[in-house]
Amino acid sequence: GEDVEQSLFLSVREGDSSVINCTYTDSSSTYLYWYKQEPGAGLQLLTYIFSNMDMKQDQRLTVLLNKKDKHLSLRIADTQTGDSAIYFCAESSAYSSASKIIFGSGTRLSIRP
Amino acid sequence: NAGVMQNPRHLVRRRGQEARLRCSPMKGHSHVYWYRQLPEEGLKFMVYLQKENIIDESGMPKERFSAEFPKEGPSILRIQQVVRGDSAAYFCASSPTQEPNTGELFFGEGSRLTVL
Repeated sequence: GEDVEQSLFLSVREGDSSVINCTYTDSSSTYLYWYKQEPGAGLQLLTYIFSNMDMKQDQRLTVLLNKKDKHLSLRIADTQTGDSAIYFCAESSAYSSASKIIFGSGTRLSIRP
Repeated sequence: NAGVMQNPRHLVRRRGQEARLRCSPMKGHSHVYWYRQLPEEGLKFMVYLQKENIIDESGMPKERFSAEFPKEGPSILRIQQVVRGDSAAYFCASSPTQEPNTGELFFGEGSRLTVL
């Protein structure tokens, strides 16, 4: 079945870049997502990338997709304390209709001064 | 436009009791998903419903768990005869019906179930 894997923890210094990595197994994945979960809250979509793209940039966020290696990364430039959260990678093989989305275990990002 | 509303936010049950968790999707959304998040773990898919239909329940435990999304009213996740291992945060998400659909999910804030 489909699987999405991420490392559980990442610690970075404030102001540095954070890079969160993810691998997935479903070769028919159409969309890949990054969601953010702050303490005690639900998940919010940060960004997504369509599988025919290899990069997407949105302000401080850069998503890189290596479809051959089934590897997705999220780079957060100039990491701030407000970026502390759990970041979930997710994938969907749907194209034109909603389908279940498979989430990774989440990477807990902590920021040190 | 209100977001996805879940209630109760916190629920405490004793072993053997029933838990009912409710989810009202965003206005205009007719796809509802339930996920479970165990402490210090990621989200696990449970069930995907459209109005009056269960589309995919491959993540639901075979016993004690059921879900519905009636024509009128919220979606309900029901857990009968709860056990301590059911303690978790249960998240509901919805997505819109229009095509094409990127598959983006809009999440509620979750219902945290504690079984004593």
